[in-house]
Amino acid sequence: EVQLVQSGAQVKKPGESLKISCKVSGYSFNAHWIAWVRQMPGKGLESMGVIYPDDSDTRYSPSFQGQVTISADKSISTAYLQWSGLKASDTAIYYCARHPTGIFSHFDYWGLGTPVIVST
Amino acid sequence: EIAMTQSPDTLSVSPGERATLSCRASQSVGSRLAWYQQKPGQAPRLLIYGASTRATGIPARFSGSGSGTEFILKINSLQSEDFAVYYCLQHDNLPLTFGGGTKVEIK
Repeated sequence: EVQLVQSGAQVKKPGESLKISCKVSGYSFNAHWIAWVRQMPGKGLESMGVIYPDDSDTRYSPSFQGQVTISADKSISTAYLQWSGLKASDTAIYYCARHPTGIFSHFDYWGLGTPVIVST
Repeated sequence: EIAMTQSPDTLSVSPGERATLSCRASQSVGSRLAWYQQKPGQAPRLLIYGASTRATGIPARFSGSGSGTEFILKINSLQSEDFAVYYCLQHDNLPLTFGGGTKVEIK
């Protein structure tokens, strides 16, 4: 059974750093692109970027380039999304999702989401 | 970046009736269009991919059609569990982009 298990909710202050995770099981982690998707409170879905775990090839959506870092650790089948200096506007739910057949495919399996709250 | 526009923003439908949701792309995406359902507090759920292929376990009352720039999601005989927000996603070009969503609410 394919599963994407995300790390728990986070409450942070502006300027702090954060790294959230997405641990997968039930399929070959190395062989499928993994994406991160943001959903701000009461808003729609935004694709942030994707990573191919086998070689860490990473592509960022223009709006998120330079704002976050996506990485992966093949040894533990885990993808990461990190910030070096959080802002209040980073408050959102962050989902990881799998591309089933290459970077130009839809997302089939999703994690449950990691809520991130950034507040003083 | 391809812009995806969904209409209407909100659709009020009575249980048992049909809902028709639209999604338009700012340029052709071929058949690389997926539909998702999202309920409050839940992750999105894949309904349709390849514009018209139902995902595993999705009831036959959900159907997708279209190609190029115009796409439709139809939900026949709406059930109580179908009231939710629906998003389209183009996966033909990077960055992948979602529509703004259509909320299907009980009339």
